[in-house]
Amino acid sequence: DGGITQSPKYLFRKEGQNVTLSCEQNLNHDAMYWYRQDPGQGLRLIYYSQIVNDFQKGDIAEGYSVSREKKESFPLTVTSAQKNPTAFYLCASSLGTGGTSNNSPLHFGNGTRLTVT
Amino acid sequence: EDKVVQSPLSLVVHEGDTVTLNCSYEVTNFRSLLWYKQEKKAPTFLFMLTSSGIEKKSGRLSSILDKKELFSILNITATQTGDSAVYLCAVVFTGTASKLTFGTGTRLQVTL
Repeated sequence: DGGITQSPKYLFRKEGQNVTLSCEQNLNHDAMYWYRQDPGQGLRLIYYSQIVNDFQKGDIAEGYSVSREKKESFPLTVTSAQKNPTAFYLCASSLGTGGTSNNSPLHFGNGTRLTVT
Repeated sequence: EDKVVQSPLSLVVHEGDTVTLNCSYEVTNFRSLLWYKQEKKAPTFLFMLTSSGIEKKSGRLSSILDKKELFSILNITATQTGDSAVYLCAVVFTGTASKLTFGTGTRLQVTL
């Protein structure tokens, strides 16, 4: 079955440590996205990539970095520069640019809950 | 600044009730509006709306868009406990690249 796999489901880190969240998709989608979800704030876009070896900052990119070396993979690194990293992180992908046709709504992974203490 | 506002923030209803969830937006260069249902983790796609006045329907759920007044509603009739979830609204605007701006979501709880 095609889908998006995020790992791990839960992640605990000490403050000051970098951590990388994995996102893999086998849907052959061109575009991939990282969102952060906090209570009462909905989903906020961190980074997105529309094609391999290219990515753009979203609305809250500070303290995060990404890479897109393969079409299937879009890992997110939460660096020590991110002031409030504890959150639920959702990865998504779409065939074209998400939300521009009925054939390309965003497909989401099951998320990674990161806790930094 | 592009903005998507959902109301109410949370709602508790009894099974069998009909509910209406609201999504309003202040977005330049509007392209489409999407509704998602999030039960535990991954949001799942419900509807995409691009044209005013055309209702999209799937079972007990329906949605409509008003591009003049800049809002959409999501209706759920004869609610069931399985409808309990967070309902997310997102708007696509065009710019250098199309991307989704999400609202804060409405948390719906359906009780017996």
